[in-house]
Amino acid sequence: ETGVTQSPTHLIKTRGQQVTLRCSSQSGHNTVSWYQQALGQGPQFIFQYYREEENGRGNFPPRFSGLQFPNYSSELNVNALELDDSALYLCASSSPPGQSYGYTFGSGTRLTVV
Amino acid sequence: AQSVTQPDIHITVSEGASLELRCNYSYGATPYLFWYVQSPGQGLQLLLKYFSGDTLVQGIKGFEAEFKRSQSSFNLRKPSVHWSDAAEYFCALQPPDSWGKLQFGAGTQVVVTP
Repeated sequence: ETGVTQSPTHLIKTRGQQVTLRCSSQSGHNTVSWYQQALGQGPQFIFQYYREEENGRGNFPPRFSGLQFPNYSSELNVNALELDDSALYLCASSSPPGQSYGYTFGSGTRLTVV
Repeated sequence: AQSVTQPDIHITVSEGASLELRCNYSYGATPYLFWYVQSPGQGLQLLLKYFSGDTLVQGIKGFEAEFKRSQSSFNLRKPSVHWSDAAEYFCALQPPDSWGKLQFGAGTQVVVTP
């Protein structure tokens, strides 16, 4: 059983650019949630994807968008990058309620905006 | 509105001593509660979770947590700390009808001294 894989592990971008982060969910998991963890803070929920549809969003602007593919992998896209977008971005996959009901987190992508 | 508070930003404990990390939550009913650990530069690893039933929950690595509804608390404990327990610990809440959407506290940094 594979875990959650995120790529790339590190990324440096310039303010105003766009970035795409990727997440491969754990086998058997059909839900992917994305979190932003700024330095010294707890993770903040960005949004969740279930069966290729967005299924809830946190307090993040529309320039944060995502996709989920038929194999349940997911992408997080951020447009018009700002310095405050510098953070660790975590992806978590989960199975529906009634099953193991566990969340598996990836190791994250460290994004630095300069 | 729901919230999670971890009152202690930083705790220093001697190896072999006991450890207790505090977590208080605000939510209208009984939420699902989790404790995660994060080592530097890593993702989140689940230590234990509480959904319902027995209020004393056993987790991995010798950790346990006790849910106290009257105090809106879910404190994490370990009887004897090992140097490898040095990490950041996060308490998280999830409303039962919002699976995949965790709300985290700000975290407690644990330092273990010889």
